[in-house]
Amino acid sequence: QKEVEQNSGPLSVPEGAIASLNCTYSDRGSQSFFWYRQYSGKSPELIMSIYSNGDKEDGRFTAQLNKASQYVSLLIRDSQPSDSATYLCAVNVDYFNKFYFGSGTKLNVKP
Amino acid sequence: GAVVSQHPSRVICKSGTSVKIECRSLDFQATTMFWYRQFPKQSLMLMATSNEGSKATYEQGVEKDKFLINHASLTLSTLTVTSAHPEDSSFYICSADRALTEAFFGQGTRLTVV
Repeated sequence: QKEVEQNSGPLSVPEGAIASLNCTYSDRGSQSFFWYRQYSGKSPELIMSIYSNGDKEDGRFTAQLNKASQYVSLLIRDSQPSDSATYLCAVNVDYFNKFYFGSGTKLNVKP
Repeated sequence: GAVVSQHPSRVICKSGTSVKIECRSLDFQATTMFWYRQFPKQSLMLMATSNEGSKATYEQGVEKDKFLINHASLTLSTLTVTSAHPEDSSFYICSADRALTEAFFGQGTRLTVV
């Protein structure tokens, strides 16, 4: 398995704050990067995808990629209690959507 | 959006028996599907890549004789856990690949071996 590392948390932030989630990966050949949200007992759901260096914003979510440093991050602005979940970082290294996942970071947003 | 249906959602079986899990792409053809396993409080671990019309490719450490994968059509892949034991109890999830778009995950199957 390719190595994808995340801090397991839990990360606790108050409602309305910015949550910052980080991920590092070992394979320099990794081409695509994804953030998934997973609620307990459910399948992952896609939050963001990013393919090139820099920032990508979508609503309250911003993904940041730095291939030279081999890290990808996810910022969640104006965090809501409904954002409380485990966030999985995923990378793939080839054309197909075959993912290697990090262990996930559990986020708790406190009202 | 595209839908991937996984069945059953939950199954309890006796130790030593075999269990089959189905993964169907409902509105697109998937030449490639992937099977993942997730133990409690752990991440998804890729088990194998299922290719329509050919043998599956297994990740290192996954027993191909224990986890039989069949991808007989462009919309169906099955995972059979043979001679299941309690340590095989896990959450199994499939995903289907539609080229150049996001991967679509099934709902997952909670397997409990007693």
